[in-house]
Amino acid sequence: DVVMTQTPVSLSVSLGGQVSISCRSSQSLVHNNGNTYLSWYLQKPGQSPQLLIYKVSNRFSGISDRFSGSGSGTDFTLKISRVEPDDLGVYYCGQGTQYPFTFGSGTKLEIK
Amino acid sequence: EVQLVESGGGLVQPGRSMKLSCAASGFTFSNYGMAWVRQAPTKGLEWVATISYDGSSTYYRDSVKGRFTISRDNAKSTLYLQMNSLRSEDTATYYCTRGAYGGYAYWGQGTLVTVSS
Repeated sequence: DVVMTQTPVSLSVSLGGQVSISCRSSQSLVHNNGNTYLSWYLQKPGQSPQLLIYKVSNRFSGISDRFSGSGSGTDFTLKISRVEPDDLGVYYCGQGTQYPFTFGSGTKLEIK
Repeated sequence: EVQLVESGGGLVQPGRSMKLSCAASGFTFSNYGMAWVRQAPTKGLEWVATISYDGSSTYYRDSVKGRFTISRDNAKSTLYLQMNSLRSEDTATYYCTRGAYGGYAYWGQGTLVTVSS
């Protein structure tokens, strides 16, 4: 199975600040078709997860440009700029390249 | 508006069965692969099973293979998860998700399954 390692486990940021979350996979996430199926999700308190970023760097419909994804192969990063109160929650990376699909263990974002 | 509404969760004894349903609306259900993702209490996300848009292909995580069956009825725009021989470690909130771009674009509100005697 592809193991997804997320760091840090938690972080605290001031409103208006910027944060980065790292996600590393134990194997390359480049699919045979050339796509890299790495996604980022946010689960706000008491809510279902929501898709933020797909295929490494593509923002899903309605997602603010304050969220950006980057990376390749086995190393990926989610950056959140100008942090707002509504950004708090747990962020997960997930891979859809190889079965079984797997997720990182999550990064909890708290607002100072 | 895309809507996914799960039902069928609740308390069940170990070894018994339960069937979850997910009613989809707001999109052409028969065009999309669908999946179940679960989350044990206070834990992270765990993919359970995926079914192709036409039901011809299914995939399962090893821990549920042979016990769970994912299926769909495109005429009813409904996704199912038949769960047999339930174990305490299957206790979780089960989310119905619509696949897209190699991820999960839309999620239901989830239904809690508690396996306990």
